[in-house]
Amino acid sequence: GQQVMQIPQYQHVQEGEDFTTYCNSSTTLSNIQWYKQRPGGHPVFLIQLVKSGEVKKQKRLTFQFGEAKKNSSLHITATQTTDVGTYFCAGPGAGGTSYGKLTFGQGTILTVHP
Amino acid sequence: DAGVIQSPRHEVTEMGQEVTLRCKPISGHNSLFWYRQTMMRGLELLIYFNNNVPIDDSGMPEDRFSAKMPNASFSTLKIQPSEPRDSAVYFCASSLASTGIGWANEKLFFGSGTQLSVL
Repeated sequence: GQQVMQIPQYQHVQEGEDFTTYCNSSTTLSNIQWYKQRPGGHPVFLIQLVKSGEVKKQKRLTFQFGEAKKNSSLHITATQTTDVGTYFCAGPGAGGTSYGKLTFGQGTILTVHP
Repeated sequence: DAGVIQSPRHEVTEMGQEVTLRCKPISGHNSLFWYRQTMMRGLELLIYFNNNVPIDDSGMPEDRFSAKMPNASFSTLKIQPSEPRDSAVYFCASSLASTGIGWANEKLFFGSGTQLSVL
């Protein structure tokens, strides 16, 4: 079935350093979503990318969707302690009854040292 | 809007007991998802419903797990009998998904989850 692989699993940074997490799929994705889960919390939607090569920014966060729509990345510039949490990418099913299905990557756990 | 509401927040039970988790999706949403989260396996999709109909339950671990959605505002996930390996956080999420050819995946709104511990 559809799988999205995410790396790295863990990332430890000093406050002010940049952070990037990558998401890869073996098949073309119609879209990809990114979520953030704070420690002890629930996943919260950040953004959805739909177009090939799309780049979207939210303040210090930059999201990219690859030209082949098989990979995506989330980059955080100058991390802050409030960025701590797990970042997930999520991709849809390939078709049939999987259309509405959203499969999550393993997530990247970000810790920020002040 | 109150968001997705799950109950209970925490459940501690003994092996062999029946466990029922409850979810109230956001009013007007037509899709509901049950996910299980563990350190080892991450966020796993167990089952999802569209317009109260189960669409894909391929993620349900085994026959001990069952889910229902009797109406648009309520869903349950039942484990009977429960086992220690079922211990996890169970999330319910809802969305307003367009359907038909080429479903569009709309963003999911997650509940706060139920922390289940089976002793």
